[in-house]
Amino acid sequence: DGGITQSPKYLFRKEGQNVTLSCEQNLNHDAMYWYRQDPGQGLRLIYYSQIVNDFQKGDIAEGYSVSREKKESFPLTVTSAQKNPTAFYLCASMGRGTGANVLTFGAGSRLTVL
Amino acid sequence: DQQVKQNSPSLSVQEGRISILNCDYTNSMFDYFLWYKKYPAEGPTFLISISSIKDKNEDGRFTVFLNKSAKHLSLHIVPSQPGDSAVYFCAASARETSYDKVIFGPGTSLSVIP
Repeated sequence: DGGITQSPKYLFRKEGQNVTLSCEQNLNHDAMYWYRQDPGQGLRLIYYSQIVNDFQKGDIAEGYSVSREKKESFPLTVTSAQKNPTAFYLCASMGRGTGANVLTFGAGSRLTVL
Repeated sequence: DQQVKQNSPSLSVQEGRISILNCDYTNSMFDYFLWYKKYPAEGPTFLISISSIKDKNEDGRFTVFLNKSAKHLSLHIVPSQPGDSAVYFCAASARETSYDKVIFGPGTSLSVIP
């Protein structure tokens, strides 16, 4: 079955540590996105990538970094510079030419900073 | 400044009755609107969409209405079922350069009471 796999599902981190969230897709989609969900704030865009080796900042990129070395993979690193990293992180992808602007989401990763 | 607003954080409806979820947007450049449904600890799933050239789109029990002049859209679910209990996100899309930027509202939590 095609889809998006995020890991780990739950992650705990001490303050000052960097942590990397994995996102893999087998949908052959060109574009991949990272969103963050906080209560009452909907989904906010962190980073997105349209093609391999290219990515752009979203609305809340500070304290995060990404890479896109392969079409299938778009890992997100939450650095120690992110002031409030505890959140639910969602990875998504979108296929080119679908004409529908429909994002397909993974199941999410919940990060808790202790 | 939220570009997509869902002013009702929660809504309770009796099973079998109609659920109406509302969404307002501020950016007149949005040309595609989507509704996503989300269960706890899962990623959102696409429900229904509407292009700005239409004012209504129907898919089974779900209908989305768009009023461009008022920058308002609504999702109607009829009849409502207990399995519809979830958080519903309204999203809007605009083509920027060569990618599709999707902005989400804060969500409305729907409870369908048996």
